[in-house]
Amino acid sequence: ELKVEQNPLFLSMQEGKNYTIYCNYSTTSDRLYWYRQDPGKSLESLFVLLSNGAVKQEGRLMASLDTKARLSTLHITAAVHDLSATYFCAVDKARDNAGNMLTFGGGTRLMVKP
Amino acid sequence: DTEVTQTPKHLVMGMTNKKSLKCEQHMGHRAMYWYKQKAKKPPELMFVYSYEKLSINESVPSRFSPECPNSSLLNLHLHALQPEDSALYLCASSQVLELNSQETQYFGPGTRLLVL
Repeated sequence: ELKVEQNPLFLSMQEGKNYTIYCNYSTTSDRLYWYRQDPGKSLESLFVLLSNGAVKQEGRLMASLDTKARLSTLHITAAVHDLSATYFCAVDKARDNAGNMLTFGGGTRLMVKP
Repeated sequence: DTEVTQTPKHLVMGMTNKKSLKCEQHMGHRAMYWYKQKAKKPPELMFVYSYEKLSINESVPSRFSPECPNSSLLNLHLHALQPEDSALYLCASSQVLELNSQETQYFGPGTRLLVL
């Protein structure tokens, strides 16, 4: 059974600081996703990572993937209040012509304080 | 257009009611999904449709009945729900992904369901 663990589950940080969210998963997978969810809202796709060593950056967020360690990280640089949200990683196990099953981590609730 | 729409946004129903949730996308995606999300928890996959056929049912109780009338629409029929079924129900769509695809699943805004 595929398990996905995120830590920390809650993160309170000051504006301008850097921090990293970790996502571990238990079996090999085809893809790793990072999503953002604002309170009461839907999920917004941030990154899709496929291969070992993949690194993607968008603004103050950078995601990386180490498939050998089964670990992805989401690094926040110089946090701003607008980044306050819950961040989920999700791991994908494709099935032939059957769509894709996403298993989500528990989520990291990020609060950026002035 | 990367939009998935869902109706209604909010739904309150009694345990004896029958209601339906609707989801629509016009991105040409051939895979559509229903997820359930309880407060402060991650989404949990319920059903997957691929090419309008049910391909994955994650042991969901029969009081939830999915339907995919065509490639753009996905319904979730609800009957005799329990209060513990109250949650945010999210629809998503994607291409039927090939091995090295960078495509993602696009989520709708969700229907917030309260069962009394």
